[in-house]
Amino acid sequence: EVRLVESGGSVVRPGGSLRLACAASGFIFEDHGMSWVRQAPGKGLEWVSGIDYNGGRARYADSVKDRVTISRDNAKNTLYLQLNSLRAEDTAMYYCARDKSSASPEYFLDWGQGTLVTVSS
Amino acid sequence: SYELTQPPSVSVSPGQTARITCSGDALTIQYTYWYQQRPGQAPMLVIYKDSERPSEIPERFSGSSSGTTVTLTISGVQAEDEAKYYCQSAEVFGGGTTLTVL
Repeated sequence: EVRLVESGGSVVRPGGSLRLACAASGFIFEDHGMSWVRQAPGKGLEWVSGIDYNGGRARYADSVKDRVTISRDNAKNTLYLQLNSLRAEDTAMYYCARDKSSASPEYFLDWGQGTLVTVSS
Repeated sequence: SYELTQPPSVSVSPGQTARITCSGDALTIQYTYWYQQRPGQAPMLVIYKDSERPSEIPERFSGSSSGTTVTLTISGVQAEDEAKYYCQSAEVFGGGTTLTVL
């Protein structure tokens, strides 16, 4: 059974930083691209960032570029998202998603249950 | 980047057919994928590559494509199908369509 378990979300002040993690199990982690997708309260889905199977290539949405870094540790089966210079509009549930492809994004076979990031003073 | 446009809402009675559209210029050259999201849950893939269905998804879910528009069709809608549906192509998601089962 595929499992994706996100952690690291919390309440943070504007301008602050957070590191999200996604622990993966039930599949060969190093074979798949991975992405982070977020959803602001009551809003739709927004792709944030993706990384290919070996971490060689990362991609970012324009809305977070220069403030976010995606990375992965294939030895630990874990995906990360470093969020810096956080703004109120970054408030959202952040989902980790397994891509069908070795790159990302193509499409998402599995999703975690999400971790909530709230940016508020 | 580009946009994917979905109707905000679709309503059908149980047993009827629901059709949810997704429009975008890039859809003539890129595949589209559909996700179902029930309240309080993570999204779930229901259609991939325009019209392919994962094995665990009921046969009443189907997809089709014509030009710049793709369509998710749910035949014989059931109460459990009430959810929000999102199309996706590459890094872009549509705004989502709320399916209400009357």
